[in-house]
Amino acid sequence: GAVVSQHPSRVICKSGTSVKIECRSLDFQATTMFWYRQFPKQSLMLMATSNEGSKATYEQGVEKDKFLINHASLTLSTLTVTSAHPEDSSFYICSARTDRGDEKLFFGSGTQLSVL
Amino acid sequence: SQQGEEDPQALSIQEGENATMNCSYKTSINNLQWYRQNSGRGLVHLILIRSNEREKHSGRLRVTLDTSKKSSSLLITASRAADTASYFCATDGSGNTPLVFGKGTRLSVIA
Repeated sequence: GAVVSQHPSRVICKSGTSVKIECRSLDFQATTMFWYRQFPKQSLMLMATSNEGSKATYEQGVEKDKFLINHASLTLSTLTVTSAHPEDSSFYICSARTDRGDEKLFFGSGTQLSVL
Repeated sequence: SQQGEEDPQALSIQEGENATMNCSYKTSINNLQWYRQNSGRGLVHLILIRSNEREKHSGRLRVTLDTSKKSSSLLITASRAADTASYFCATDGSGNTPLVFGKGTRLSVIA
């Protein structure tokens, strides 16, 4: 199966700092990646769709200036949480489909963000 | 947007028993997928069933789909402690379309 690598797996930061999360497709090219957010014991909520070489598409209610997404290459998308606050503490997961016509998603292992 | 709703929200069974989880959705679909998530980890795809299929098997997994009732079920037979995880259904996804996930069922298999 395809592999999606996500780093870091866990980050603790002070309020007001920015945190960057990387998502890489290791053995396939991903023109589109999806970023989800998950609170404890809850479902995944789609934050944005990241498109290589163009602007990300954000879901309603997600602040694009707060959650910066960059998809500069076919194998890398980054999510930057700017000026993080405690309410941004959550589990962030990226995912992608392969360029082989798969309908299923391959997920990174997630990033647990804790903002103090 | 479409969203699957799983029930029960939590399920606790003994090792060796079967576990059944249900998923309902709201609008027409092309396919429905089931995923598994271990605590604090990403999701892993389990099985996909298309709208023109009624039942599908994969190892100890059996998935059914009833498009008239807009529902699906996931059966795990002869459960093991290692099956302890959260299970999510998700509707439709291909190309640039994201999957929309239900709330999930937290399964605990007690040894």
